[in-house]
Amino acid sequence: GAGVSQSPRYKVAKRGQDVALRCDPISGHVSLFWYQQALGQGPEFLTYFQNEAQLDKSGLPSDRFFAERPEGSVSTLKIQRTQQEDSAVYLCASGNRAGGGEQYFGPGTRLTVT
Amino acid sequence: TQLLEQSPQFLSIQEGENLTVYCNSSSVFSSLQWYRQEPGEGPVLLVTVVTGGEVKKLKRLTFQFGDARKDSSLHITAAQPGDTGLYLCAGANSNSGYALNFGKGTSLLVTP
Repeated sequence: GAGVSQSPRYKVAKRGQDVALRCDPISGHVSLFWYQQALGQGPEFLTYFQNEAQLDKSGLPSDRFFAERPEGSVSTLKIQRTQQEDSAVYLCASGNRAGGGEQYFGPGTRLTVT
Repeated sequence: TQLLEQSPQFLSIQEGENLTVYCNSSSVFSSLQWYRQEPGEGPVLLVTVVTGGEVKKLKRLTFQFGDARKDSSLHITAAQPGDTGLYLCAGANSNSGYALNFGKGTSLLVTP
């Protein structure tokens, strides 16, 4: 399809497990963003990539969170030693302008940590 | 920290009614976007406003950016059940870097 895709759509992890969430942005989009959306809240920024370079990771809540985009297309958000407070929807967005502009969101991955 | 305050938080109306939702901040934004999000889906971009005082119309939806670029409103005329969803405003400015700052959203339910 032409939109942003994310996988898996749902993930249940036991506390302490590592998880990896994948984002396939719109082809050719330079910018890629990760957001975390808790229940009843708006999305909160986690990190930003311009092509393969991670230019802003100020929103990552702890060093357990790690993101990469090695070839400037697909991105992976990894969470190590998951905690219950990590339970949320993780949204990926891509954009065709560097540094800003309109963002197009994927459907998200709902992570539940038990 | 959510720099954008949205009101009301919840709104339940009947088909055919008009409504306005508000997005307010003490910060100035270089641009502001409105999204609609349905359950289990990501936000879908509706409009971007960049100029103070700007008004944009999208069918029955009218978006306005405040003169000082600190606030915005979304007005829906003759609401329909298909308008049901979570409406989010999001702003960008030099302080936010690359991030979009989102409000908590207004959850709208339109009943037939």
